[in-house]
Amino acid sequence: AQSVAQPEDQVNVAEGNPLTVKCTYSVSGNPYLFWYVQYPNRGLQFLLKYITGDNLVKGSYGFEAEFNKSQTSFHLKKPSALVSDSALYFCAVRVNFGNEKLTFGTGTRLTIIP
Amino acid sequence: GAVVSQHPSWVICKSGTSVKIECRSLDFQATTMFWYRQFPKQSLMLMATSNEGSKATYEQGVEKDKFLINHASLTLSTLTVTSAHPEDSSFYICSARVAAGQPQHFGDGTRLSIL
Repeated sequence: AQSVAQPEDQVNVAEGNPLTVKCTYSVSGNPYLFWYVQYPNRGLQFLLKYITGDNLVKGSYGFEAEFNKSQTSFHLKKPSALVSDSALYFCAVRVNFGNEKLTFGTGTRLTIIP
Repeated sequence: GAVVSQHPSWVICKSGTSVKIECRSLDFQATTMFWYRQFPKQSLMLMATSNEGSKATYEQGVEKDKFLINHASLTLSTLTVTSAHPEDSSFYICSARVAAGQPQHFGDGTRLSIL
């Protein structure tokens, strides 16, 4: 079975400060990891993915994430937060073989305070 | 690129009626599409995997006779909620990916309210 944990339901960050949204995962085999963002009453927008290679991956809107195999983590980061980054963020995982079923975390609501 | 369109975005209907939701890949062909359900302030739960030209694969606990999925072409999958009841009210989201192993791209969702 595969699972994702996002330990923080809510993260508040002052505009201009660095932000981190945490994600840990559990999967049998090598993971494919994803971050998505959801705005109110909208679907999910893809931000970035880790498949293989460099542990630090860069994505859309200045976001990046670091894959840490020993800690089974894939935290989302941004050096300087914008008010427009306020949204709901989901981490997701799947195995790198077989079916493509994505398992999502419970989401973290990020609020950037002006 | 990789745009997924979902229609309608919002539907309100009476209990007992059937509702069809469409999911289209606009600029790519999608042999596989996915249907999710999202409850308020909760995560997405995969309902089924829709395969072009074959039967959908439903997740455990999802009633296939209740949630009919048809994937008749490489750009269109439909989800029909049959004899809908208030407990079926939810936010339904579809996704598709360009090729195996690539990220899923999501539609904007359909807010279904059954009165």
